[in-house]
Amino acid sequence: AQTVTQSQPEMSVQEAETVTLSCTYDTSESDYYLFWYKQPPSRQMILVIRQEAYKQQNATENRFSVNFQKAAKSFSLKISDSQLGDAAMYFCAYRSMNRDDKIIFGKGTRLHILP
Amino acid sequence: ETGVTQSPTHLIKTRGQQVTLRCSSQSGHNTVSWYQQALGQGPQFIFQYYREEENGRGNFPPRFSGLQFPNYSSELNVNALELDDSALYLCASSPSRFPRKMDDEQYFGPGTRLTVT
Repeated sequence: AQTVTQSQPEMSVQEAETVTLSCTYDTSESDYYLFWYKQPPSRQMILVIRQEAYKQQNATENRFSVNFQKAAKSFSLKISDSQLGDAAMYFCAYRSMNRDDKIIFGKGTRLHILP
Repeated sequence: ETGVTQSPTHLIKTRGQQVTLRCSSQSGHNTVSWYQQALGQGPQFIFQYYREEENGRGNFPPRFSGLQFPNYSSELNVNALELDDSALYLCASSPSRFPRKMDDEQYFGPGTRLTVT
């Protein structure tokens, strides 16, 4: 069974600084997607970034980028130029490429932005 | 805004009762999934529906059931409520059963907070 682990329950970063959130996962599959989702206090889960496991190039979306290390099963999220609106719970997640149903989520990291 | 809505926002029920939660997906989204998010945890997959048929199920008992309708709405029904069913219930819809691009991934609703006393 696949698992996703986020070892940092909470993190804080100064506004305009850079922060990295960590995630490790376990799977025996070779084809899968990895995600970072953001859940602000409003509760609506928003997809921040997606990485396909077959791609060596790390995904980027504006100020958000990932460091995908397939052999180490590590998938970290870097947020550059942190803004107050980035404050939220961040979930690392996994979905098999060969199955169309479930997304497996980690327990989340709560990110605080300090003004 | 993801275009996915859920009702009600909050709900309080008594142990043993039954509850129905509703979700309205974006037009064209023929896949809907339901997740349970306990306090301080990540969402757990309950089941998925594709074109009105159950397409996959997580480790939840049969008292959790669902329906999907042709008008892009869906329901989650829970019978014989237990205290541990207290959680945020999220629905997520997508336009594609096998998303190949980021825009086709699941769009989440704001959730229904269910409290069982």
